[in-house]
Amino acid sequence: GAVVSQHPSRVICKSGTSVKIECRSLDFQATTMFWYRQFPKQSLMLMATSNEGSKATYEQGVEKDKFLINHASLTLSTLTVTSAHPEDSSFYICSARDQIGQFFGPGTRLTVL
Amino acid sequence: SQQGEEDPQALSIQEGENATMNCSYKTSINNLQWYRQNSGRGLVHLILIRSNEREKHSGRLRVTLDTSKKSSSLLITASRAADTASYFCATDYNDMRFGAGTRLTVKP
Repeated sequence: GAVVSQHPSRVICKSGTSVKIECRSLDFQATTMFWYRQFPKQSLMLMATSNEGSKATYEQGVEKDKFLINHASLTLSTLTVTSAHPEDSSFYICSARDQIGQFFGPGTRLTVL
Repeated sequence: SQQGEEDPQALSIQEGENATMNCSYKTSINNLQWYRQNSGRGLVHLILIRSNEREKHSGRLRVTLDTSKKSSSLLITASRAADTASYFCATDYNDMRFGAGTRLTVKP
């Protein structure tokens, strides 16, 4: 089956630092990758959509300069949270899409102290 | 942005009872999917229903879809304590958008 991995699964950082999260489609090539954010007791909110080799499209209210997305290949996308603050603490979930469907990674828990 | 609403927001039942969760959405869809999420964990895919289907079964799960009303329901029969989780519907049309979710508690 289609497997999406994320690394790291959990990260704790100090306020003001930057954090990079990797998302890989392990056994398929993803035409599009997505990043979602989920705050406690809330649903998943789509942050941005990216296609390989092109700039990401951000949802309204998501700061593109704060959440940098790089989609370098058909199997790898990275999300960098720049100058993280406590309010950025959340569960970040990536997703990869091919012709068959859209598949989700296991998520990364970010805690900013 | 989120796709739509789910109700109820929270549901508490006894083991053995049935649980019904509803989802409404706003836009066109290719399919609608239901996911489960245990606290602090990733998503578990439950079932997919295509826009031209009206009902689908998988084990103790039954999903209905009414595209004229832009709504779907998930029925879990003979619930178990292990079914305690949050349940989300997600519409699929070029990307996937999630409903607000229902927190289900099944008491043993």
